[in-house]
Amino acid sequence: DTVLTQSPALAVSLGQRVTISCRASKSVSTYMHWYQQKSGQQPKLLIYSASNLESGVPSRFSGSGSGTDFTLTIDPVEADDIANYYCQQSNELPLTFGSGTKLEIK
Amino acid sequence: EVQLVESGGGLVQPGRSLKLSCAASGFTFSNYGMHWIRQAPTKGLEWVASISPSGGSTYYRDSVKGRFTISRDNAKSTLYLQMDSLRSEDTATYYCATDFVITTVAFDYWGQGVMVTVSS
Repeated sequence: DTVLTQSPALAVSLGQRVTISCRASKSVSTYMHWYQQKSGQQPKLLIYSASNLESGVPSRFSGSGSGTDFTLTIDPVEADDIANYYCQQSNELPLTFGSGTKLEIK
Repeated sequence: EVQLVESGGGLVQPGRSLKLSCAASGFTFSNYGMHWIRQAPTKGLEWVASISPSGGSTYYRDSVKGRFTISRDNAKSTLYLQMDSLRSEDTATYYCATDFVITTVAFDYWGQGVMVTVSS
């Protein structure tokens, strides 16, 4: 299985830039996607195929990477961005998710 | 507007069965792959199963293979997950999700989720 590793938590100040990383245990090409999950809600797709912004998602969100190293960037961070962020690969079955990064405000 | 509404969750004893449903609307259901993803309490997301648009191909994670069955009724725009021989580790919120991205599998719409608790 492809294991996706994320930092458990990040603290950032409002208005600043934050990068959330995801490292895959083997190459997934650009088959990497990012989700935001707020407390008590279902996940929401933000970025698909490493760098494509999902329709309706603010342009403050962007994604980059290929192979094994990927990043989700939020710039600038707003209070509404407080959530858990998950990466997910679709290069091979089983489809796997990272363990999530909790974004906190300093 | 795309809507996915799950139902059928609840409390069930280990070893028993439960069938989840996901009613879809707002898109041509028969054109798209569908998926079940679960999330144990306070834990991360875990893919469970997927089904092709026609229903002819199905895919499962190893831990549910042989116990869970994903199916769909395109005439009713409904996705199902039959869960047999349930275990305590199957306790989770189960989400159904769509996959509109043509070139890969990314879950672009999710239902609100339904809770399944396996306990005696």
